[in-house]
Amino acid sequence: DSGVTQTPKHLITATGQRVTLRCSPRSGDLSVYWYQQSLDQGLQFLIQYYNGEERAKGNILERFSAQQFPDLHSELNLSSLELGDSALYFCASSPGTSGDSYEQYFGPGTRLTVT
Amino acid sequence: GQQLNQSPQSMFIQEGEDVSMNCTSSSIFNTWLWYKQDPGEGPVLLIALYKAGELTSNGRLTAQFGITRKDSFLNISASIPSDVGIYFCAGQQHLVRRGGATNKLIFGTGTLLAVQP
Repeated sequence: DSGVTQTPKHLITATGQRVTLRCSPRSGDLSVYWYQQSLDQGLQFLIQYYNGEERAKGNILERFSAQQFPDLHSELNLSSLELGDSALYFCASSPGTSGDSYEQYFGPGTRLTVT
Repeated sequence: GQQLNQSPQSMFIQEGEDVSMNCTSSSIFNTWLWYKQDPGEGPVLLIALYKAGELTSNGRLTAQFGITRKDSFLNISASIPSDVGIYFCAGQQHLVRRGGATNKLIFGTGTLLAVQP
């Protein structure tokens, strides 16, 4: 158990809908990262938050957004869903982003299926 | 999206054999991480490497951070059935920007390991 929790485990929804994925980082970790894993693209970085502030964006679509709340949990919002958005979405956390690099610990993921 | 070159793509071995896999990049990384992922689960961190040339072990696993900082390899000795899974390398660039630093990971394409008892 990495200490990172994600809900829900599975999500099935229709095209055009909007969903919210939730992540709680390990106790004490300030950074949260979101990744998408699909068969054709592999594991891809989406976005990073540190202590409530956005730090970096990767291959994140404009239809997707995220935020990190004062209690450090994070939510990834996916809207106007398309079939191609079906994937595993992972959250990872690490202690911080200043100074040395840090290990990232992954949650169990949310499997999103868009029908 | 960006992915690192990881080889081999898959390996089918007998229990007790040793395994080697590697990861190469055109970019320099500050950190190399190796993860194992079981089907439908999240990646589990196996080893982290922080210095060029560093050799680190975790039980039967040994990993090295390449001198050029553009590659890394992972060895598994005396494989057992529970070693089955997909192994990913990940390179981390610690980038300092206005507003703070970022440590995003760039993942390899993965190596599927199958171990026959």
